[in-house]
Amino acid sequence: GEDVEQSLFLSVREGDSSVINCTYTDSSSTYLYWYKQEPGAGLQLLTYIFSNMDMKQDQRLTVLLNKKDKHLSLRIADTQTGDSAIYFCAENTNAGKSTFGDGTTLTVKP
Amino acid sequence: DTEVTQTPKHLVMGMTNKKSLKCEQHMGHRAMYWYKQKAKKPPELMFVYSYEKLSINESVPSRFSPECPNSSLLNLHLHALQPEDSALYLCASSQDMGLAGGQETQYFGPGTRLLVL
Repeated sequence: GEDVEQSLFLSVREGDSSVINCTYTDSSSTYLYWYKQEPGAGLQLLTYIFSNMDMKQDQRLTVLLNKKDKHLSLRIADTQTGDSAIYFCAENTNAGKSTFGDGTTLTVKP
Repeated sequence: DTEVTQTPKHLVMGMTNKKSLKCEQHMGHRAMYWYKQKAKKPPELMFVYSYEKLSINESVPSRFSPECPNSSLLNLHLHALQPEDSALYLCASSQDMGLAGGQETQYFGPGTRLLVL
């Protein structure tokens, strides 16, 4: 079956690194995604990783994929107050259907 | 440009009203999606259009009626809604619907916040 799990909350201090974790169950996933949602806004595609990659880096964002353990993580370096948001992990396994995690609320304290 | 636009931003309607939500993209994407999102929850898929044809209907009540007039536009017609239908309605688009080389990557609009009284 399809199930994506994330921890619900993460709190960090400004300037620290944040690591948001996600586990998924469907090994046929081709792409895995991280979306950011600020209060009252839509989902912003942050980054995605193809399933045959281990790591992808994009400025302050690093995505790590452990396909054997079906574990995905998003690391945000030098976290800023503007990074406070809900972060959703998602996978596409069936055509037209994405499975989203419940979202991790990141709070950045000054 | 990866922009999906939605109008209106906010909508308040009574249970007997008829209203429509609109979504537009000019990225040449051939798949468009409607999602419903309750507060602090992930988006729930409602409908998917592929090449202007309804491809997926996730058993959505008939008081929600989607329409895809052309490849750039997606509407959601609302009639006789219930208070529990109050939510953020998100539109998304992707290059294609199938799982092929990232073409299924979805880009979301800002949403319409709907309140049903």
